[in-house]
Amino acid sequence: DTAVSQTPKYLVTQMGNDKSIKCEQNLGHDTMYWYKQDSKKFLKIMFSYNNKELIINETVPNRFSPKSPDKAHLNLHINSLELGDSAVYFCASSQATGGSYEQYFGPGTRLTVT
Amino acid sequence: GNSVTQMEGPVTLSEEAFLTINCTYTATGYPSLFWYVQYPGEGLQLLLKATKADDKGSNKGFEATYRKETTSFHLEKGSVQVSDSAVYFCALPNQAGTALIFGKGTTLSVSS
Repeated sequence: DTAVSQTPKYLVTQMGNDKSIKCEQNLGHDTMYWYKQDSKKFLKIMFSYNNKELIINETVPNRFSPKSPDKAHLNLHINSLELGDSAVYFCASSQATGGSYEQYFGPGTRLTVT
Repeated sequence: GNSVTQMEGPVTLSEEAFLTINCTYTATGYPSLFWYVQYPGEGLQLLLKATKADDKGSNKGFEATYRKETTSFHLEKGSVQVSDSAVYFCALPNQAGTALIFGKGTTLSVSS
């Protein structure tokens, strides 16, 4: 049984479109995250939710809107897609916030904007 | 704020060679330190961690020791295998402990 799952795995779309990526974790964790990995493999936090509450919103354009309907799900909606949004997006979860907790990552969603 | 600097690759080794990937950090206090590994086409997975100074994390033959004197957490393996080919990330929590900060990643390629 997959601990952190994301759908879709690949997403190819045109500039200007709106798309969503879904994430689910079955670990019973309280905290979930979205990270962006660029073409050079650099990973950066975008959002962090704890018990459905937003606790981190890094300098991400407001075209990106996360939504957490419950503790097990964290979805990412992107409006008006741009070429620079092409990247791999990873969802992750951890038992709680706090620096010592391991984060469990999903398999990633490769977004290509043409 | 907290930050991490990791040696950049790629690192290319023959099977059974010794591996070192350097990682140094800047942090307030003594946060936990992590090494994550990303195999091709997959998400990241925890390789090892250390939660306090002088701790040694180890897993799958990999080791790293939390050295506060040199603010380092270098990853080592005595004898690499082809299956170790992956991207390795050093990481630590941000100051608030609400997310991880990752190094730029080091790509390791091991040939037989």
